[in-house]
Amino acid sequence: DTAVSQTPKYLVTQMGNDKSIKCEQNLGHDTMYWYKQDSKKFLKIMFSYNNKELIINETVPNRFSPKSPDKAHLNLHINSLELGDSAVYFCASSHPVLSGNTIYFGEGSWLTVV
Amino acid sequence: DAKTTQPPSMDCAEGRAANLPCNHSTISGNEYVYWYRQIHSQGPQYIIHGLKNNETNEMASLIITEDRKSSTLILPHATLRDTAVYYCIVALNSGGSNYKLTFGKGTLLTVNP
Repeated sequence: DTAVSQTPKYLVTQMGNDKSIKCEQNLGHDTMYWYKQDSKKFLKIMFSYNNKELIINETVPNRFSPKSPDKAHLNLHINSLELGDSAVYFCASSHPVLSGNTIYFGEGSWLTVV
Repeated sequence: DAKTTQPPSMDCAEGRAANLPCNHSTISGNEYVYWYRQIHSQGPQYIIHGLKNNETNEMASLIITEDRKSSTLILPHATLRDTAVYYCIVALNSGGSNYKLTFGKGTLLTVNP
């Protein structure tokens, strides 16, 4: 019973393609995030959603479009993929009461753009 | 969010205590100190957090200095599975909807047999 699950775990695709990464959490949290970890291992927040509403957008290119159909899901769609998009993408969730704002991360999705 | 400074790497012998330092001299009064770790090829994992009092849980202890400008994460009996990058983060814990954690470079702790 993985708390925060992401699919796919590995994705290799060509430049210019459009791809999506799905994320689901079964913790009852109301806030979900996408973080990106690049080749230098820096972990940076991209987006956060609270109850399906976009809260944080850290100047991410608009080729990245998160979508939250409900508060348990936050999917990441990436258009016109570029080589620099190669990274590990982590989905996460939290709740001020249920988790005391502890952020729970998924296992990551390894995206390689060739 | 206040910035933190951590040594880039540390070594520890298996079974010994691992003491990981963190400086956060610009921390504000309502910011908490959080520790997360990332084992290779896994997602970050929460360890512990505190405001000003020392904290202990089943994973670790957190010692915060009285002036709150630095802290130490203690793993009392390090095992090989504790080899990971450890991140010290200071952040508000207001519960607001724009809550986020900003990760630095962390400390790579290597536990040696």
